[in-house]
Amino acid sequence: AQSVSQHNHHVILSEAASLELGCNYSYGGTVNLFWYVQYPGQHLQLLLKYFSGDPLVKGIKGFEAEFIKSKFSFNLRKPSVQWSDTAEYFCAVNPNQGGKLIFGQGTELSVKP
Amino acid sequence: GAGVSQSPSNKVTEKGKDVELRCDPISGHTALYWYRQRLGQGLEFLIYFQGNSAPDKSGLPSDRFSAERTGESVSTLTIQRTQQEDSAVYLCASSLVRGGRTDTQYFGPGTRLTVL
Repeated sequence: AQSVSQHNHHVILSEAASLELGCNYSYGGTVNLFWYVQYPGQHLQLLLKYFSGDPLVKGIKGFEAEFIKSKFSFNLRKPSVQWSDTAEYFCAVNPNQGGKLIFGQGTELSVKP
Repeated sequence: GAGVSQSPSNKVTEKGKDVELRCDPISGHTALYWYRQRLGQGLEFLIYFQGNSAPDKSGLPSDRFSAERTGESVSTLTIQRTQQEDSAVYLCASSLVRGGRTDTQYFGPGTRLTVL
């Protein structure tokens, strides 16, 4: 069955630390890839997406992600986190580039000021 | 422009009652999706509508769940004879379709359903 795995359930960092959140998926065909973020009390927002082209994609607020096809991975990175990055982060895959999204379990990020 | 809206924002019901949840997609978005998010878990796909095509109902967990969409606008998710395990946040999303493929999905604020 198609699935998305996020390796970290809860990550705690201090401000200015670097962040990398892992995401792996199980699907052999062409995919669209997404990271969504849910800030406390807010609804899901798109952070960044990959459809095709350059496998290194940049999103809002200094986030970036790299698609490595051979590893079925789409890890999220940020060189220096801020307290305002405290949120839950969801990786999602769109198999066949259409229709439903398959989500990972989410990673809760807590940034200490 | 306006985003995806959902109503009600919160719904508390008793076990065995029916509930209806409403979603208004972004104007012009032909694709509409319903997801469920249980506490501490990721989003679980329920159903997908695209234009006049037959909906993808593959994620509906039981025949107590059904959804309808009027043209390319409002959708209603109905849960009959609610059970406590139906307690969750129900999220609606909509997207454009480009070249036969769906684009980025934009999410509404969700309806928090509590079944007592």
